[in-house]
Amino acid sequence: DADVTQTPRNRITKTGKRIMLECSQTKGHDRMYWYRQDPGLGLRLIYYSFDVKDINKGEISDGYSVSRQAQAKFSLSLESAIPNQTALYFCATSEGTGGNQPQHFGDGTRLSIL
Amino acid sequence: GQQLNQSPQSMFIQEGEDVSMNCTSSSIFNTWLWYKQDPGEGPVLLIALYKAGELTSNGRLTAQFGITRKDSFLNISASIPSDVGIYFCAGPHSGGSNYKLTFGKGTLLTVNP
Repeated sequence: DADVTQTPRNRITKTGKRIMLECSQTKGHDRMYWYRQDPGLGLRLIYYSFDVKDINKGEISDGYSVSRQAQAKFSLSLESAIPNQTALYFCATSEGTGGNQPQHFGDGTRLSIL
Repeated sequence: GQQLNQSPQSMFIQEGEDVSMNCTSSSIFNTWLWYKQDPGEGPVLLIALYKAGELTSNGRLTAQFGITRKDSFLNISASIPSDVGIYFCAGPHSGGSNYKLTFGKGTLLTVNP
């Protein structure tokens, strides 16, 4: 079983719809992250969370919200999807102690907004 | 903000050839991470470097942490078709936000059998 699981793997939806992407992890890590990947732009951080009570904006948080339901679960919502949010979305986790811990990624959700 | 510049952007090589790619920054990094992303999957950590000058191997992969702390190199020896993918360098932000990573834009590697 994957350590970091994202659902759904693929989603096609229409402009204006509300969408939720789910992430769950079995690694026992405190820190969780949401990124989006666009061709030629690499990975950009949307939101991150240190624990259930700690949520922080990343570099491109506008149009997104998150919820940390438990240590193992971190969901990303698009309240009213727009076409330029079409991208590949990744969830990642890292250990809570120390600043230089590598991040571990899920397999991504491919989101298309028509 | 901190930026990582990866080069080359893409490479087309023949199976069996050696590959070299690098990552540079105008800022100092205390850690360098190299990830590989296979098509349809998330990035997977290949090598982590924590000391300037450090040279670390993982099978046919070797990565080095530059002495200036502003660059890192990844080499792949005797490439095989399954080496195809996008290779990313990454490093933590400096100072109080060092739990956040900056990623390069990636090097796309194609290996012709």
